[in-house]
Amino acid sequence: GENVEQHPSTLSVQEGDSAVIKCTYSDSASNYFPWYKQELGKRPQLIIDIRSNVGEKKDQRIAVTLNKTAKHFSLHITETQPEDSAVYFCAARVEGYSTLTFGKGTMLLVSP
Amino acid sequence: GAVVSQHPSWVICKSGTSVKIECRSLDFQATTMFWYRQFPKQSLMLMATSNEGSKATYEQGVEKDKFLINHASLTLSTLTVTSAHPEDSSFYICSARRGVSYNEQFFGPGTRLTVL
Repeated sequence: GENVEQHPSTLSVQEGDSAVIKCTYSDSASNYFPWYKQELGKRPQLIIDIRSNVGEKKDQRIAVTLNKTAKHFSLHITETQPEDSAVYFCAARVEGYSTLTFGKGTMLLVSP
Repeated sequence: GAVVSQHPSWVICKSGTSVKIECRSLDFQATTMFWYRQFPKQSLMLMATSNEGSKATYEQGVEKDKFLINHASLTLSTLTVTSAHPEDSSFYICSARRGVSYNEQFFGPGTRLTVL
């Protein structure tokens, strides 16, 4: 089955800096890659996703890049703000199949 | 956007009792629902996948007789933790998906279960 590795496990940045979180996946058939943000005690919220037919997608301060050859994808947050502090999870799935496989998560701390 | 609710949001029970958690999709029909378990500072661990009207598919290591899942309608799935023990204490989160052709999964707010 699919295996998703996520790094780093924790990331501390200063407000205004950029943050990058990286994930690798094992199943070359995977073609859907969402990113979720989870604040303490709350539900995971989808923040951005990408399909394998594109290499990059951007939504304001958030961008995701995908390298299918290397089987890795990354989340980029620019101009970080304290409210970006949360745990971020990457995931992968083969479109049309049910199961999302999640990475272990990255705790992002943005200091004012 | 699509909304998924969960009830209760937290529950405390005595060891040996059973607890039922409900997951509802409020404004869409969910052909597939998922149940996850999350321990503190850890990732979401899929317990089972349920499709409306059929038996749930459990992940390896999850006891189907202990974690009973019912997906009786397109808007409701229930998870019953039977004969709960302290080690079952965890954060249980459901998730729903419109159908195979839809990618996005919408998560419920979670249920904090504490077994004394």
